[in-house]
Amino acid sequence: DAGITQSPRHKVTETGTPVTLRCHQTENHRYMYWYRQDPGHGLRLIHYSYGVKDTDKGEVSDGYSVSRSKTEDFLLTLESATSSQTSVYFCAISAQTLFGYTFGSGTRLTVV
Amino acid sequence: ELKVEQNPLFLSMQEGKNYTIYCNYSTTSDRLYWYRQDPGKSLESLFVLLSNGAVKQEGRLMASLDTKARLSTLHITAAVHDLSATYFCAGQTSGGGADGLTFGKGTHLIIQP
Repeated sequence: DAGITQSPRHKVTETGTPVTLRCHQTENHRYMYWYRQDPGHGLRLIHYSYGVKDTDKGEVSDGYSVSRSKTEDFLLTLESATSSQTSVYFCAISAQTLFGYTFGSGTRLTVV
Repeated sequence: ELKVEQNPLFLSMQEGKNYTIYCNYSTTSDRLYWYRQDPGKSLESLFVLLSNGAVKQEGRLMASLDTKARLSTLHITAAVHDLSATYFCAGQTSGGGADGLTFGKGTHLIIQP
């Protein structure tokens, strides 16, 4: 979707290194979310943001931190990557409308 | 805490047949969403169901919501190969989308000629 982009699209990193994933939106939506998708688990919420500098934890937040210094950017950081964080990460945005949520294209992260 | 269960998790069916995917949820959900995901792709929104008795249809797909039974269904009519994908249902607890969606594990659907 043109209104939301994730970077990088693919990344391979070593255990113990810090990693930051970026979600950028051009829709000026208030709400932004980070999910991880793993086989057999569907999508699980990591963190979300309801405004600049306003964030909260989701279901699987351990080992992750987030920041939102501008409306358009929501960063997800793995402070010290572990193999269990190998996953596909999706960002989503929502404007609290009947149209729901829009998902980014995903970032495939492999921790070796 | 909202929990969402889908079944079946895997479904292989022949073209031309009808089938239904079920989505049960544990507590009150403001809205119920259905998404489609193709391999290696993002999630595509199919339906948003807002109230009890809501029914929406798009092509060969029809979704319904029974809030009293805490059940949503996605019905596939006369399946075609192009509908092969993974389908997710998701619930939303708080008004306005603040704390995001809770997803089922997905139904991997294969439609064979």
